[in-house]
Amino acid sequence: NAGVTQTPKFQVLKTGQSMTLQCAQDMNHEYMSWYRQDPGMGLRLIHYSVGAGITDQGEVPNGYNVSRSTTEDFPLRLLSAAPSQTSVYFCASSYETDQTYNSPLHFGNGTRLTVT
Amino acid sequence: AQSVTQPDIHITVSEGASLELRCNYSYGATPYLFWYVQSPGQGLQLLLKYFSGDTLVQGIKGFEAEFKRSQSSFNLRKPSVHWSDAAEYFCAAPNFGNEKLTFGTGTRLTIIP
Repeated sequence: NAGVTQTPKFQVLKTGQSMTLQCAQDMNHEYMSWYRQDPGMGLRLIHYSVGAGITDQGEVPNGYNVSRSTTEDFPLRLLSAAPSQTSVYFCASSYETDQTYNSPLHFGNGTRLTVT
Repeated sequence: AQSVTQPDIHITVSEGASLELRCNYSYGATPYLFWYVQSPGQGLQLLLKYFSGDTLVQGIKGFEAEFKRSQSSFNLRKPSVHWSDAAEYFCAAPNFGNEKLTFGTGTRLTIIP
């Protein structure tokens, strides 16, 4: 059971380039989300999805797009990379769509992105 | 909306000593509270959670946390730390605006021999 798989592990982009961070889970979780982690700021929610075909914005969505065509995959797209998007990105999933239920988040190991 | 605050950015503890990491929450009703741990180069892993009932919650790896409504706190404790406990620890709670987890800024734990 692989859990949540993120690729790539590391990426360097130049300003203005676009790329897609991949996230896949094999636990049949309805809920998937993307967080970015920055020093001194904890984890901030970028986008989330409560099921295939449904996405919504989190706390810091600007500059990012998501789609959820299948239950398993939830890619994060950077449209035009900026140095402010240098961060570590985490994908997380859970069985329940509402974290007030007894359904912990399962995290991938992260993608470290540097934008120069 | 509920939020959590972790006042300590970095804590250093000797191996074998006791540990307490602080977390304060802001919300009027009984909150749902979580502690996650992040080992270097890894994603976050759930340590324990509080939903209701017994205010002392046991988690994995020998950790426990106590919910204290009077102090708006949910501090994480361990009686004797091991070198493998060196990691970053995050307190979290659902944002009752959208029921999605909001994380504190984290406390980095260093263990010295």
